Amino acid sequence: KAGVTQTPRYLIKTRGQQVTLSCSPISGHRSVSWYQQTPGQGLQFLFEYFSETQRNKGNFPGRFSGRQFSNSRSEMNVSTLELGDSALYLCASSLWRGRALNEQFFGPGTRLTVL
Amino acid sequence: KQEVTQIPAALSVPEGENLVLNCSFTDSAIYNLQWFRQDPGKGLTSLLLIQSSQREQTSGRLNASLDKSSGRSTLYIAASQPGDSATYLCAVTEGGSEKLVFGKGTKLTVNP
Repeated sequence: KAGVTQTPRYLIKTRGQQVTLSCSPISGHRSVSWYQQTPGQGLQFLFEYFSETQRNKGNFPGRFSGRQFSNSRSEMNVSTLELGDSALYLCASSLWRGRALNEQFFGPGTRLTVL
Repeated sequence: KQEVTQIPAALSVPEGENLVLNCSFTDSAIYNLQWFRQDPGKGLTSLLLIQSSQREQTSGRLNASLDKSSGRSTLYIAASQPGDSATYLCAVTEGGSEKLVFGKGTKLTVNP
């Protein structure tokens, strides 16, 4: 069974540009979450989607947005990039089996560098 | 606001040693706790998930315990190997969502 895949794996952008990252969950998983990982802040929650609906959003500015498609694939977009957006962006998927049983599986991440 | 703390931040041990990694959380109203492993520059690998109603889970040389009332979890690694070198992260799930709240991790180095 294929794991969570993320594309692209590496991105280099300049300040002011925008970027779109993609995540394909494990087959059958309908829940997708996104996290930002930086050396200073660690792992921080961005969004959570379930059946194309955003169920939860972290404390990030409106420049960060996301969506989920009917096949459960998800994209996140960052507009007007800032140097501080340089990070590893991780996507996780889970098979909803009840709150206590939800094990989340992570993809390899997209390394974004903003110059 | 839930806060997760992991102590120590880094740990270096000789091969073969048994070791314990610690995780504490401030709000005991959690649904589960997961332990992950992260190799440099890579994604997270799920190691163990403990439901809030459970006391421990085991997988191979790994054993994780959970004391929800005191807000603590430990990850026990038996007979450590150089391949166990990685950063170990714990995270809790709370509320009606999938949101994970992570600790900053413990960087483990196992020396041959």
